[in-house]
Formats: sequence, C-alpha cells, structure tokens
Amino acid sequence: EPEVTQTPSHQVTQMGQEVILRCVPISNHLYFYWYRQILGQKVEFLVSFYNNEISEKSEIFDDQFSVERPDGSNFTLKIRSTKLEDSAMYFCASRRRDGNSPLHFGNGTRLTVT
Amino acid sequence: DQQVKQNSPSLSVQEGRISILNCDYTNSMFDYFLWYKKYPAEGPTFLISISSIKDKNEDGRFTVFLNKSAKHLSLHIVPSQPGDSAVYFCAAKNSGNTPLVFGKGTRLSVIA
Repeated sequence: EPEVTQTPSHQVTQMGQEVILRCVPISNHLYFYWYRQILGQKVEFLVSFYNNEISEKSEIFDDQFSVERPDGSNFTLKIRSTKLEDSAMYFCASRRRDGNSPLHFGNGTRLTVT
Repeated sequence: DQQVKQNSPSLSVQEGRISILNCDYTNSMFDYFLWYKKYPAEGPTFLISISSIKDKNEDGRFTVFLNKSAKHLSLHIVPSQPGDSAVYFCAAKNSGNTPLVFGKGTRLSVIA
C-alpha cells in the first residue's frame, strides 16, 4: 500500500538555524498538509496546499514558515529561524481528492531545537 | 479553543472486552468525523470515518456512532485485542478542502 514518507526521522538544530523537512506524498494525491504535535499536546494543523499554492494556514504558520513543492513528488516545510518552541513532531499528510476523504499521514520528523 | 474534546486521557480494557472511546465537539458545521490510531514513533493511521448524514458506521471490529444532537461520537472496538493498544485521536472537519481538527487523544491499553 502506498504511503507518505518523511525525511529525516529526527532533526536536531540550533536555535536560529533554518531547517527543511521533507515529504513525499502518495503519488496520485492532490492535497497536501503539514501538522505538528508538541510533546503531550494535540495534533495541530499548520498548512494545506493544493494546485501549487497554499489553501489555508493556521495562526501557527507565521512568516518563519514556508512550504514548497519543488518538483512533482516532494513537498517541503521550511522554518527560517527556528525557536525552542518549534520543537515538535511534524507530520506531513496527503489525500487524493476534495471533500470527505481521509488524510494519510507520514511517520513524522521529530524536530529538536536546542 | 477546543473544538474537538476527548475528555479521557487514558482507558484500560481487558482483552476480549469492548473498548469505548468518546469524543465531543462544539462546531455544528463539522460534517465529517474520523478516528485515527497512533503508535509510538509512527504517524496517525486512519481507522474509520463517518459522515454527518449517518449515525453509525461499522468496519470489522470497529464501529463509530454519531449523535449529532449531542455533538458526540464514540468508537467501539469489540473484541479488544492487545494490538489495539495505542493512542486514538478523534478528528472532525467542515465540508470541502478544510483541515482536520484533532482532539488530544485517548491512550488505550488492552490488557491480556
């Protein structure tokens, strides 16, 4: 069964550094998402992406964040200048179509900002 | 602003018995509800969903019930198995390409 893959599984970075989290969504999916989960808290929506542009973003997704689909397969999340509070699990997700279809999640990237 | 609430952080059930996980929501515009299961070091895995036009959806050992008037849904697992031990997230969304809103999760432990 096709799956969403994320790399790296764990990223450690110093405060103020830029990080890029990478995702390969399922190949015939059209809608892409980033979520995050701070330890012990709920899974929170960051941003959705469709047709090469952001569809919706949460208040968490400020100017320090950006997303890109640089080619036909990758979907990246960039954090320009990381803060300690950016430490979390970041999950990429995709789904095939609009409307009521489930999201399929990757296994996440654990980002640790020191 | 918790639009999706899972008030039980944990639940412990004996193998073979029924597990009932509960979820409440506040947004009356939600029309699609899902349950996800999450193991440590993995992403959430889709389990079962229900549209607001239904009140029950069944898939094998898993059944989701929706009570729109009470803004409540529940997931029943019967019989429970040790492999069901995981964190279960309730999620909901409005129609269209809108994001899922998750609850905080309930950790289910099925004891052999």
